[in-house]
Amino acid sequence: GQNIDQPTEMTATEGAIVQINCTYQTSGFNGLFWYQQHAGEAPTFLSYNVLDGLEEKGRFSSFLSRSKGYSYLLLKELQMKDSASYLCAVRDGSSNTGKLIFGQGTTLQVKP
Amino acid sequence: DGGITQSPKYLFRKEGQNVTLSCEQNLNHDAMYWYRQDPGQGLRLIYYSQIVNDFQKGDIAEGYSVSREKKESFPLTVTSAQKNPTAFYLCASSVGTPGEKLFFGSGTQLSVL
Repeated sequence: GQNIDQPTEMTATEGAIVQINCTYQTSGFNGLFWYQQHAGEAPTFLSYNVLDGLEEKGRFSSFLSRSKGYSYLLLKELQMKDSASYLCAVRDGSSNTGKLIFGQGTTLQVKP
Repeated sequence: DGGITQSPKYLFRKEGQNVTLSCEQNLNHDAMYWYRQDPGQGLRLIYYSQIVNDFQKGDIAEGYSVSREKKESFPLTVTSAQKNPTAFYLCASSVGTPGEKLFFGSGTQLSVL
C-alpha cells in the first residue's frame, strides 16, 4: 500500500530551527515534494528531492534518503509567517503521470 | 500574470443538488488535477487529466464527475451521490512530466446546507 507519515503538529520559537520529518512507503518512488499551506489558501511549492542528499534554498532545506524512505524539511531562523501546514508528497514510481500522494500535513506554530 | 483560478471561494449545496466547481489555468499546462482536503487528512486525488478530452479516476472518484473539453478548463461536478461533500477542494495543474511541481488554485470550500 501507499503510506506517508508526518507528525500532526509541532511548535517552535521565533528565530529557532525546526525539522519536520516525513516517512513514506510507496510502490515505487519518483520524487518527493514539500509544500507550504497557510489556512484556507493554496499550497505553495517549497522543494523537490529525487536523489539522496540535501537541497538548500535560503532558510529552507530538504533532505532525502531513498533507502530509508525518509525525508525532512529544515526551517532555519523561524519567522512568525512560517506558521503554516507543511505537506510532504511523493510521486510513486508506478505512475508516469504527475499525480502526487500526500501525507496529512504538519501544522507548525511559531511562537514569539 | 499566469496562474490557476478557482471559483467560487465558498459554495453551499442543498441535499440532492449537483454543484460545479470551476478551475481555469493560463499556464499552458497539459495536466490538471482535483484534490479534496479534509481536516486532519492529506490531500486525496479525485480525478486527473493529462491531456484534453481525457481524464482518469483518482482514489476517491465516486460521487464526482469531470470534463476536459479545453486545455485551460477542468470543472468538477459534485453530484448528489457524494454523501459527504463538505470539504476544501483544490485544483492543480502541471506540465505533466514526472518531476514537475504542481501549481495549486486557492481552493473552494464546499458546505452542505
